[in-house]
Order: sequence, then structure tokens, then C-alpha cells
Amino acid sequence: EAQVTQNPRYLITVTGKKLTVTCSQNMNHEYMSWYRQDPGLGLRQIYYSMNVEVTDKGDVPEGYKVSRKEKRNFPLILESPSPNQTSLYFCASKGGGGGSYNEQFFGPGTRLTVL
Amino acid sequence: SQKIEQNSEALNIQEGKTATLTCNYTNYSPAYLQWYRQDPGRGPVFLLLIRENEKEKRKERLKVTFDTTLKQSLFHITASQPADSATYLCALDGYGNNRLAFGKGNQVVVIP
Repeated sequence: EAQVTQNPRYLITVTGKKLTVTCSQNMNHEYMSWYRQDPGLGLRQIYYSMNVEVTDKGDVPEGYKVSRKEKRNFPLILESPSPNQTSLYFCASKGGGGGSYNEQFFGPGTRLTVL
Repeated sequence: SQKIEQNSEALNIQEGKTATLTCNYTNYSPAYLQWYRQDPGRGPVFLLLIRENEKEKRKERLKVTFDTTLKQSLFHITASQPADSATYLCALDGYGNNRLAFGKGNQVVVIP
């Protein structure tokens, strides 16, 4: 089944404790992206990647890191989480590379709470 | 500044009627616009894409229009059913490199 998976689905942590949210897709997509969704603010892009070893900042990259060492994986790293990073996070992927109009496939979401 | 506006008030509609949602944008020149459905706590799911040179697109009970002069897209659900209750997001190619900019979404509640 074609899908985007994220782990963990739920995470409660404390300020300053480094964490990684994994994202994996099995559709051989070039494009992957991370979003956060907050009430009243909608979906905002954190980072995106057009292909392996190619990443770029989205609208709200501060406090986050990403890497794209393999095509299928795009982990989101919070080196020193803070309470304002409490949010619902979505990973997404899209085929066709740059310039394509294809749909984005979203993962199930990771609900992160930083105390 | 750039804006994508969707009605923040939920649309309550009787089963069987047509639900119509609006997506207005300013200071974007999108090559295409997409609509997604999102259920509470779940990831958005793609519904339809319409290109700038297309006026209308249909898929089953869904219809989307795109007016680049008005900078507006309309999303219609005909013969609405309770299972259509969800939040609907519009998204557009806002940055020219296939990054999507999303509206905040508009909730639809279909009353049996």
C-alpha cells in the first residue's frame, strides 16, 4: 500500500530534550516536506526536500533541522525543543520532482507536546 | 501581503443540498490550485487539482472552479452526505517551485 508513515504518532517530552520524528514513504517520491498545524494558523511548511541531499527552509524553519540521506526517509529533528513547538506535525511527499503539479500524500501526523 | 482566505465559520448544510466553499487569494499568481479534505487529527487527503488555464474540474460529486481574474476558487459538494463532514483546505502553488501554500480550511457539517 502506497503510504507515508511517521513515528512516533504521539510524543510528550520536556524542554531541551532532543528528539527526532521519522518520516518514510514507499512511493519513490522525490519531494518530501514537513508541516506543522496549529489552531487558527493552519498548515505551515517547516522544511522541504526536492531530492536526496537537497533541503530548503519553508516558512517556519527556526528550531528544526532535517536531513535527506535516502530518498524514502526525511526525519525532522528538534535539537532543543521548546513549548512553542507543541503542535501537530505532518510529513508529506509528492512524485514527479520539481515542476510537477502532482498531489501531496500526507502522513498520519505526530502530535508533539513539549512541557 | 500574501493571503489565502477561507471562511472560518463552519458551513452547516442539510443532507442532499450542495455545499459551496470559497477560497480567495491575494498577491499570488498560482499555476494551479488544489483542494484537500482533512478529518480531525488526521492528515489531509488530496481531492482535486485545477490548473490556471482550466475553468472547471469535476470528480464524482465534487466540482471546482478557478477564476484567476477574481483570484478565487469555488469548491462544490453536490448531494452532500453526512460522510462529507470534514474540513476542506485549499492550497496553491504559491512560490513557483511547487511549494504549496495552504488556506486555514473551512469546516463543513452535513446534517442528516
